[in-house]
Amino acid sequence: SAVISQKPSRDICQRGTSLTIQCQVDSQVTMMFWYRQQPGQSLTLIATANQGSEATYESGFVIDKFPISRPNLTFSTLTVSNMSPEDSSIYLCSVEGRTNTEAFFGQGTRLTVV
Amino acid sequence: QKEVEQNSGPLSVPEGAIASLNCTYSDRVSQSFFWYRQYSGKSPELIMSIYSNGDKEDGRFTAQLNKASQYVSLLIRDSQPSDSATYLCAVFLYNFNKFYFGSGTKLNVKP
Repeated sequence: SAVISQKPSRDICQRGTSLTIQCQVDSQVTMMFWYRQQPGQSLTLIATANQGSEATYESGFVIDKFPISRPNLTFSTLTVSNMSPEDSSIYLCSVEGRTNTEAFFGQGTRLTVV
Repeated sequence: QKEVEQNSGPLSVPEGAIASLNCTYSDRVSQSFFWYRQYSGKSPELIMSIYSNGDKEDGRFTAQLNKASQYVSLLIRDSQPSDSATYLCAVFLYNFNKFYFGSGTKLNVKP
């Protein structure tokens, strides 16, 4: 399985500010996924980030609000922009496994917007 | 209709019993199926994957897949209090190149 390091693990932010979450993988991966998980809910896919191309966003998520970078095959960032309390959630980075398409997750970032 | 559906629970079983978790999916072209365990405040952890009809066993865990019925289940034998967690069912759709997760079933194993 891939080893995924996600930072920060948690943060408390003021509304109107932005937070960038980093995801580092110990091996090269083609696809990286960013999810949001609100309390008591399942995972909602925000976007898929492939190296060398723009991220593909799911319905309800836009690039201006959640810009994503994917500069190489081991790293990606997700920025939560112009935050409001509704953005308070856990954000998870995920990568595809080397075989059989398993998904592995970073430790998650618990974001609280006040 | 959601792509992946699970009973949210909670499912309560006594220690030592068999816990049975169920999941249905809507897309017939789904080919990869997964069970994840998520402890409160932690990220999901892959515990089982299954790709063909039938049973797959790994220790105390058995995954069962029935593609005709579009049904996948997870059995946990000799349940332990440490198995108390939320279990997420997931499918990977090759035509969309992404995972779909169920809402999760909360399992409580009572000592």
